[in-house]
Amino acid sequence: DGGITQSPKYLFRKEGQNVTLSCEQNLNHDAMYWYRQDPGQGLRLIYYSQIVNDFQKGDIAEGYSVSREKKESFPLTVTSAQKNPTAFYLCASKEPAGGNEQFFGPGTRLTVL
Amino acid sequence: KQEVTQIPAALSVPEGENLVLNCSFTDSAIYNLQWFRQDPGKGLTSLLLIQSSQREQTSGRLNASLDKSSGRSTLYIAASQPGDSATYLCAVSGGSYIPTFGRGTSLIVHP
Repeated sequence: DGGITQSPKYLFRKEGQNVTLSCEQNLNHDAMYWYRQDPGQGLRLIYYSQIVNDFQKGDIAEGYSVSREKKESFPLTVTSAQKNPTAFYLCASKEPAGGNEQFFGPGTRLTVL
Repeated sequence: KQEVTQIPAALSVPEGENLVLNCSFTDSAIYNLQWFRQDPGKGLTSLLLIQSSQREQTSGRLNASLDKSSGRSTLYIAASQPGDSATYLCAVSGGSYIPTFGRGTSLIVHP
C-alpha cells in the first residue's frame, strides 16, 4: 500500500537534546512537507522540499533542520534551539504542481520533559 | 498572502442532520482546494479535492462545492452520523504550490 509513515508515534525529549523525527513515503512524490500543529493554532509550515537535495524554510523554521538526501525520506531534527518544541508534528507529500492532492502521515507527538 | 477562514470553528448537532461547513479564501488565484478530516491525535485524511476548473466533487455522503470568484467553498455532509465527529480542514493551493490551511471546524455529532 502506498502511503507516508512517521516514526516514532510518541517521542520524549529532555531539555538541551536534539531529536530526529522520521518521515518516509512510497508515493513517489517529489515534494515533502513538515508541519507543526498546536491546539488552537492550526497547521504551521516548518520546512518543505520540492525535490531531492533542495529544501526551503517555511513560516516557523527557527530551531529546526531537515535534509533531503533521498526522494522517499525527509527527516526533521528538532534542535535544542527550539524553545517550545512540545507539539504534534505532521509530514506530508504531494506532486509539486499546483493541482495535485496532498497526503499526510499519522504524525509524531513530541513532548519535552 | 493567502488567508483561509473556516466557519464555524465548532459545531455540535444531533445525528441525522444535514450539515454545511464553510471555507473562505482571500486570493481567488488558486489551483485547487482540498478538504481533510482529522481525528484526535491522528494525521489528516484527504476527503475531496476540487480543481480550480471544477464546481463540485462528491464522495458518498460528502459534497464539496467551489466558487472561486467569490473565494468560497462549502462541504456538505448529508445525514450526519456519530462517526463523522472529527475536525474538518480545508486547504487551498496557489501559485507557490504551498497549501494554505484554515484552522478547521470541530464537529460533534451526538446520538
